[in-house]
Amino acid sequence: GVTQSPTHLIKTRGQQVTLRCSSQSGHNTVSWYQQALGQGPQFIFQYYRKEENGRGNFPPRFSGLQFPNDSSELNVNALELDDSALYLCASSLRGNQETQYFGPGTRLLVL
Amino acid sequence: GIQVEQSPPDLILQEGANSTLRCNFSDSVNNLQWFHQNPWGQLINLFYIPSGTKQNGRLSATTVATERYSLLYISSSQTTDSGVYFCAAARNSGNTPLVFGKGTRLSVIA
Repeated sequence: GVTQSPTHLIKTRGQQVTLRCSSQSGHNTVSWYQQALGQGPQFIFQYYRKEENGRGNFPPRFSGLQFPNDSSELNVNALELDDSALYLCASSLRGNQETQYFGPGTRLLVL
Repeated sequence: GIQVEQSPPDLILQEGANSTLRCNFSDSVNNLQWFHQNPWGQLINLFYIPSGTKQNGRLSATTVATERYSLLYISSSQTTDSGVYFCAAARNSGNTPLVFGKGTRLSVIA
């Protein structure tokens, strides 16, 4: 399945954070979502073949990487209090969202 | 972009009761999915159902694409059904990102 690390993280405002995601075996596309408390997940961006392939309404301080093994990182710079959320990654096969599966998420708290 | 609205926002059921959750979407879609989020945050795929009807055990879903709504039916509810149910939609079935509703929070009481 899809795994994410760490499970929980506490940071202070202004710091930087890196979240990691390992895709399901055979999947080549990774999407990242932010879920604020009481809301549905919101699309941040998607990576395919190490290139960003679509971005939601998030500022450039949210950036990502995809590695040759299709695992991925989400980096957030200059953390703000509103960045506190559950961050979910989802892996899928390119062109087939029916195969999209979500990881357990990383809970980020910014103080 | 697509708007997804879910109702009701909250639902409390006695164990054994049946329920219907509704999802309305603002535009034609080729991808409509239902998810269950457990108390630990894990999103579990329930149905990929851009149109038609599917059943999986006590759960079933129907999407009427021409009228832009989908329904999730839960029969004989159990306490383990508790959690938040999300509907998510996208225009294309390919790589277009999913737009999620705000969810229906279900609490099943023994």
